[in-house]
Amino acid sequence: KQEVTQIPAALSVPEGENLVLNCSFTDSAIYNLQWFRQDPGKGLTSLLLIQSSQREQTSGRLNASLDKSSGRSTLYIAASQPGDSATYLCAVRPSFDSNYQLIWGAGTKLIIKP
Amino acid sequence: SAVISQKPSRDICQRGTSLTIQCQVDSQVTMMFWYRQQPGQSLTLIATANQGSEATYESGFVIDKFPISRPNLTFSTLTVSNMSPEDSSIYLCSVEEGYTEAFFGQGTRLTVV
Repeated sequence: KQEVTQIPAALSVPEGENLVLNCSFTDSAIYNLQWFRQDPGKGLTSLLLIQSSQREQTSGRLNASLDKSSGRSTLYIAASQPGDSATYLCAVRPSFDSNYQLIWGAGTKLIIKP
Repeated sequence: SAVISQKPSRDICQRGTSLTIQCQVDSQVTMMFWYRQQPGQSLTLIATANQGSEATYESGFVIDKFPISRPNLTFSTLTVSNMSPEDSSIYLCSVEEGYTEAFFGQGTRLTVV
C-alpha cells in the first residue's frame, strides 16, 4: 500500500533563504506526483505536476524533482519571501491502483520570517 | 487549467441542520471529487461524483450523510446532513481530466456549533 510522508512537518526560516521540502513515497510505481500550496482555511493551489517519466519541473522560483527509484521528490524554493508562507502538500498517483486516486502526504507548514 | 468556484466559502451551522456546498467548473470535466480536511489533517476523499450516475463513496462515507448530485459536466453539489461538531472541516471540490493534473476550489470552511 502506497504511503506518502513529508518531512519536516513544520519549517521556519528567514526571508531570502533557499529551502527544500521533502516528499517520500513507499512504492515507486507511480503515474505522477503533484505539489500543492494551501493557505490557512483555503483550498489547494497546484504548483507543479511531475509525470513519472520526468525528472524535474520548474515554475518561477519553484523547482520540483522526482527520483522514483529512491521514492523521493523535493520542492526547492529559491529566495523565499513572506508570501511563500503556507502549507505545502504533495500527492502521488499510483500506477496500478484501480482507482488511480491521489495518495496524500500530511504537508509541511512553512513560515518565512521577514 | 480548470477554474473552480466553490460556494459558500465558509459557514457556521447549528447541529442537526444540513448544508449544501456547490462546485462550478468553467469547463466540462469528466471527473469531480469531494474531499474533507479535518483540522490539522491532510485530505480524505469522500466520493467521486459521476455525471449521470450515483456517486462512488469511499469507505467510511455514506450517501445518507453526504448526498452528492452531478447534474452535468460542469456542476456538482455536496450536502452535509444532520451535522454534528465532528463535521467541522474544510470541504474541497476537485476536478481532473484523465488522471492528470488535479485542480481544487477555494474550499468551504464549515463550523458546526
